[in-house]
Amino acid sequence: QSVLTQPPSVSGAPGQRVTISCTGSSSNLGAGYDVHWYQHLPGTAPKLLIYGNTNRPSGVPDRFSGSRSGTSASLAITWLQAEDEGAYYCQAHDSRLNTYVFGTGTEVTVL
Amino acid sequence: QVQLQESGPGLVKPSETLSLTCTVSGGSINNYYWTWIRQSPGKGPEWIGHKFSSGGSMYNPSLKSRVNIFIDTSDNQFSLKLKSVTTADTAVYYCARGVLEIGTSGVWLDLWGQGTQVTVSS
Repeated sequence: QSVLTQPPSVSGAPGQRVTISCTGSSSNLGAGYDVHWYQHLPGTAPKLLIYGNTNRPSGVPDRFSGSRSGTSASLAITWLQAEDEGAYYCQAHDSRLNTYVFGTGTEVTVL
Repeated sequence: QVQLQESGPGLVKPSETLSLTCTVSGGSINNYYWTWIRQSPGKGPEWIGHKFSSGGSMYNPSLKSRVNIFIDTSDNQFSLKLKSVTTADTAVYYCARGVLEIGTSGVWLDLWGQGTQVTVSS
């Protein structure tokens, strides 16, 4: 039921900047619903990275930033580190499906 | 430090009821949206549903006829029951704490459990 589309994978060398897109539609991001981002590292519980499009919870490094425009959103990771390897998901409410939905997920690889 | 921990059978037979419990330790169960999510291999997570601590609930329409979420404030636990399971319900199931703030649109999940694998098989 993933109606938010993300690239399957992105990669970058340590210290580089990568971005992950999250493309939705008029019933979710285009309708003005906030987007949230999660990080899921191997062997750990998923972790909230960004809430309300651009806000970082306490403890999340400012290397992570979120943006949103129209039916799309993006998560940027600057100064990429080996510890950032894992899966990243966006999430929002969808008014057509009348439930919350997640993105298809993006695997980040540090080269 | 608040932690969530899922527990329950790892194997359920087709047509039976899947029952999982999430124990909330180190914090209150009040004023949050207690949420269940699942993820099948190769797919993005799926929102099963959530229940606010004081009663209101919302379930994924695709599962609504089979799912219920209960909250036990005395034991600081919440639970999931999914009826009439099939092999399509095989997944890793996560419990999470949902937050909704004034001025924002939509719940986000600020704390998750580690997840528990549930396999539906005879």
